[in-house]
Amino acid sequence: AQSVTQLGSHVSVSEGALVLLRCNYSSSVPPYLFWYVQYPNQGLQLLLKYTSAATLVKGINGFEAEFKKSETSFHLTKPSAHMSDAAEYFCAVSGGSGGGADGLTFGKGTHLIIQP
Amino acid sequence: EAGVTQSPTHLIKTRGQQVTLRCSPISGHTSVYWYQQALGLGLQFLLWYDEGEERNRGNFPPRFSGRQFPNYSSELNVNALELEDSALYLCASSLPGSGGANEQFFGPGTRLTVL
Repeated sequence: AQSVTQLGSHVSVSEGALVLLRCNYSSSVPPYLFWYVQYPNQGLQLLLKYTSAATLVKGINGFEAEFKKSETSFHLTKPSAHMSDAAEYFCAVSGGSGGGADGLTFGKGTHLIIQP
Repeated sequence: EAGVTQSPTHLIKTRGQQVTLRCSPISGHTSVYWYQQALGLGLQFLLWYDEGEERNRGNFPPRFSGRQFPNYSSELNVNALELEDSALYLCASSLPGSGGANEQFFGPGTRLTVL
């Protein structure tokens, strides 16, 4: 069975500071990994995904994530936080034990707070 | 290009009633997924439909069901509503195949409140 752990339900950074949101996964097969962002009262928007190509993945809005198999991690970073980055961020894994397109397994989410 | 659309945006029901939520996928997407986002429980996978067939379901009771139509739109039905069914129900669509590598595009959700 797959699982995703996001460390820190809330992360607070100052505007202009580095953003680091942590995600660790557990999967019995090579996973597909995703980061989504959710703004209040909206659906989820894909930031980036890892599908076994380059381990450093660049996404939208200046975000990137690095897949580290040895650490089973897929942490999300952004060099300089903007006020508009304040939102809920979800890490998710796909790939299922059967190899089919199962539903995504999500972490609990991290609420990113940007301090002015 | 139009995104995933869901209707209605909000619903208020009472315990024991039945509800139907609707989802239209992005043009060309044949897979539709349903998720429940309940307070304190996070996002949980409900159902996956592809080419009109139910392909997989999450750990939810049988009173959660649905279907996919020939135009790939989908309905989620919830019978005998319980208070804990109050949640945001999200629909997502994706291109078929690729064993889960294809990203899922999400709609804005339907907020269900059960009183």
